[in-house]
Amino acid sequence: GAVVSQHPSWVICKSGTSVKIECRSLDFQATTMFWYRQFPKQSLMLMATSNEGSKATYEQGVEKDKFLINHASLTLSTLTVTSAHPEDSSFYICSAPTRPNPTDTQYFGPGTRLTVL
Amino acid sequence: QKEVEQNSGPLSVPEGAIASLNCTYSDRGSQSFFWYRQYSGKSPELIMFIYSNGDKEDGRFTAQLNKASQYVSLLIRDSQPSDSATYLCAVNGDDDKIIFGKGTRLHILP
Repeated sequence: GAVVSQHPSWVICKSGTSVKIECRSLDFQATTMFWYRQFPKQSLMLMATSNEGSKATYEQGVEKDKFLINHASLTLSTLTVTSAHPEDSSFYICSAPTRPNPTDTQYFGPGTRLTVL
Repeated sequence: QKEVEQNSGPLSVPEGAIASLNCTYSDRGSQSFFWYRQYSGKSPELIMFIYSNGDKEDGRFTAQLNKASQYVSLLIRDSQPSDSATYLCAVNGDDDKIIFGKGTRLHILP
């Protein structure tokens, strides 16, 4: 299947700092990528849709000024958690759909575990 | 609001038996259906996708789709301890999004 990578796989930071997470599609182009967050023993929560060349669209309740998304190329989307706080500690996962329609399937990156001290 | 419902489990199945995971969805217009496996602390891994009514087999896995009943299932034959994980059912949503169920925890008993 398609391969999606994320970097870093884990990060520990101090409260108040910003953290950037990269998501790359390695063997296909992705005009759209999705960012999810998952707290321990809870289900995936979609945070936002990253759109190449345009602004990201955020799900209800997700602060766009706190979670900055940049989709600068057809293979790279970045999520920056600004002024991180302990409550932002979570498992962040990106995914990208392949083409063509209607057989879109989404492949997930390995995830980034963020711990904010 | 499109929804996907799954029993949270845990579902305990003896090693070597057939594990049966079930899922229902609310939007009759859904076209694409997916099963993902998620090990603890890992990201979801795509196992199967199905678009047409009936069965689709891939190795020990069989996905079954019944659009009239809005029902999707996943059968795992010859269950192994390594199959112990959370299984997420998903259907296509708007704008390329995927709507996930909350997942069913499967425990294969050695």
